[in-house]
Amino acid sequence: QKEVEQNSGPLSVPEGAIASLNCTYSDRGSQSFFWYRQYSGKSPELIMFIYSNGDKEDGRFTAQLNKASQYVSLLIRDSQPSDSATYLCAVQAGNQFYFGTGTSLTVIP
Amino acid sequence: DAEITQSPRHKITETGRQVTLACHQTWNHNNMFWYRQDLGHGLRLIHYSYGVQDTNKGEVSDGYSVSRSNTEDLPLTLESAASSQTSVYFCASSPSVGNIQYFGAGTRLSVL
Repeated sequence: QKEVEQNSGPLSVPEGAIASLNCTYSDRGSQSFFWYRQYSGKSPELIMFIYSNGDKEDGRFTAQLNKASQYVSLLIRDSQPSDSATYLCAVQAGNQFYFGTGTSLTVIP
Repeated sequence: DAEITQSPRHKITETGRQVTLACHQTWNHNNMFWYRQDLGHGLRLIHYSYGVQDTNKGEVSDGYSVSRSNTEDLPLTLESAASSQTSVYFCASSPSVGNIQYFGAGTRLSVL
């Protein structure tokens, strides 16, 4: 079992819709959770981080964490074509970081 | 502006050669990381360092080594390059454990 699991997609949503990206993790002791966006041929860049159960909002982005269910999600409201990218979920467990394989998102104009 | 830079951006080498990829950060971050990214595997941790003279093995460390002689640099060495090490390599740094990691632009390595 992988430490961090994501649906690889591709996920397609129309412009203006809500995109929902999901991630599960295996280590119950995981402490920090991150969402990165990666455009093709580029390096990952941080979108959101969350440490506590519940929701955290930043502009059009909302991260949701449920430690009991070992589940973290990213919602993108009013999706734009510029949001088309691969989204990587990352989890810190102990001294190591684990990344999911990423979900490819396409926003259709 | 503080930044993290990787060099070279592209490298072609032959099987069996020693290769060193450079990573330099100017944020004065204690923590530095090396990842490789391959289709179907995502980002996998190779080695990491939590300070000068500290190095640790990650998930896929076989065939790789690092050394940390100062805060700014964490070079990654492939002792004897293999075709299976063809990949995109990313260096990252972070101010502390569990904190945000900031990534360099990456090095695309081809081993022929």
